[in-house]
Amino acid sequence: EVQLVESGGGLVQPGGSLRLSCAASGFTFSDHYMDWVRQAPGKGLEWVGRGRNKTKSYTAEYAASVKGRFTISRDDSKNSLYLQMNSLKTEDTAVYFCARGSIAAHPVEDYWGQGTLVTVSS
Amino acid sequence: DIQMTQSPSTLSASVGDRVTIACRASQSISSWLAWYQQKPGQAPKLLIYKASSLESGVPSRFSGSGSGTEFTLTITSLQPDDFAAYYCQQYDSYPLTFGGGTKVEIK
Repeated sequence: EVQLVESGGGLVQPGGSLRLSCAASGFTFSDHYMDWVRQAPGKGLEWVGRGRNKTKSYTAEYAASVKGRFTISRDDSKNSLYLQMNSLKTEDTAVYFCARGSIAAHPVEDYWGQGTLVTVSS
Repeated sequence: DIQMTQSPSTLSASVGDRVTIACRASQSISSWLAWYQQKPGQAPKLLIYKASSLESGVPSRFSGSGSGTEFTLTITSLQPDDFAAYYCQQYDSYPLTFGGGTKVEIK
């Protein structure tokens, strides 16, 4: 059974940093691209970014709203995905989901974790 | 960036109704469109990918159609478990983008 479990959320002050983790199980993690998607309270879904696999040199893509502040990384030996968030703003307050990309030329997010809440507030 | 526009934003319907949700892309995305269902406090669930392919385990009352810029999610015979929010997403090009969502409410 595919499982994705996010952790690391919490309360942080504006300008601060936080690192989210996503522990994966039930599939060959190293084969898949992995995404982060967020949802502000009462709002819709916003794609944050994608971390590619080793075959694609672990490169990443980001939404413009987080580019230069957030970094996606992964440790295939630990079946884990990370999101390093720096220079946090109040508008980064959201539930952050990790999602698995399907094995395809155009990966779709086929499994999602339950999310972890990040609150940016003074 | 490709903008995704969903309509309506809210839809009131009864059990047994046929429901249609529209999604429009600001430029052609071929068939690289997904539909997700999200219930309060839960993660999104993939329903449809590549515009019309039903994800494994999803009931056949859900179907998707369209290509290019115009897409539709249809639920035939709405069930109590279907009252939720629905989002379209384009995955043709980066950044991936979602529609604003459609909340299906009980009439």
